[in-house]
Amino acid sequence: TQLLEQSPQFLSIQEGENLTVYCNSSSVFSSLQWYRQEPGEGPVLLVTVVTGGEVKKLKRLTFQFGDARKDSSLHITAAQPGDTGLYLCAGAGGSNYKLTFGKGTLLTVNP
Amino acid sequence: SQTIHQWPATLVQPVGSPLSLECTVEGTSNPNLYWYRQAAGRGLQLLFYSVGIGQISSEVPQNLSASRPQDRQFILSSKKLLLSDSGFYLCAWSVIGVFTGELFFGEGSRLTVL
Repeated sequence: TQLLEQSPQFLSIQEGENLTVYCNSSSVFSSLQWYRQEPGEGPVLLVTVVTGGEVKKLKRLTFQFGDARKDSSLHITAAQPGDTGLYLCAGAGGSNYKLTFGKGTLLTVNP
Repeated sequence: SQTIHQWPATLVQPVGSPLSLECTVEGTSNPNLYWYRQAAGRGLQLLFYSVGIGQISSEVPQNLSASRPQDRQFILSSKKLLLSDSGFYLCAWSVIGVFTGELFFGEGSRLTVL
């Protein structure tokens, strides 16, 4: 069974601070996704990383896939209140059509 | 562009009553379809997925069933709800072919069983 461990589970910071969220596993994934979810809504896909060592940037968000494709990180620069939400990582590569989801990091950015 | 809708958005049902949640996708053909459940606003558990009409794969033995009567319609059902069925249910779709892990979710349905 593939597992993805996310840390921290909860994060409360002030506007303007930087933060990093981690997603770790002992399993290798063919791809890894990051989703963001707001309360009462479905998750929204932010990015997919496929290649070991890959780095993708989405405005103030930087995503990195580990060299061994077992872990990933999400770094947010100068966080804003609009970044508040649940960040979920998910990995593909085990059973077909099945994503392994982490339990998420609940981020609160205070103005 | 592709859109996905699910309804109802909120449902309060007594124990033992039936359930029907519906999901439709527009703007794409032959999508893979999924039902997930999210407990306490955290991780997602895959319940069912479908790669075509009438083709349903169940991931977890439970009190629920799924059907896909049309290409872009996915229904989650129960004959008799249990308290433990309460949760946030999410429908999602992905493109047909090699599974990339990219899912597109609906708005979710909040089910409370009393």
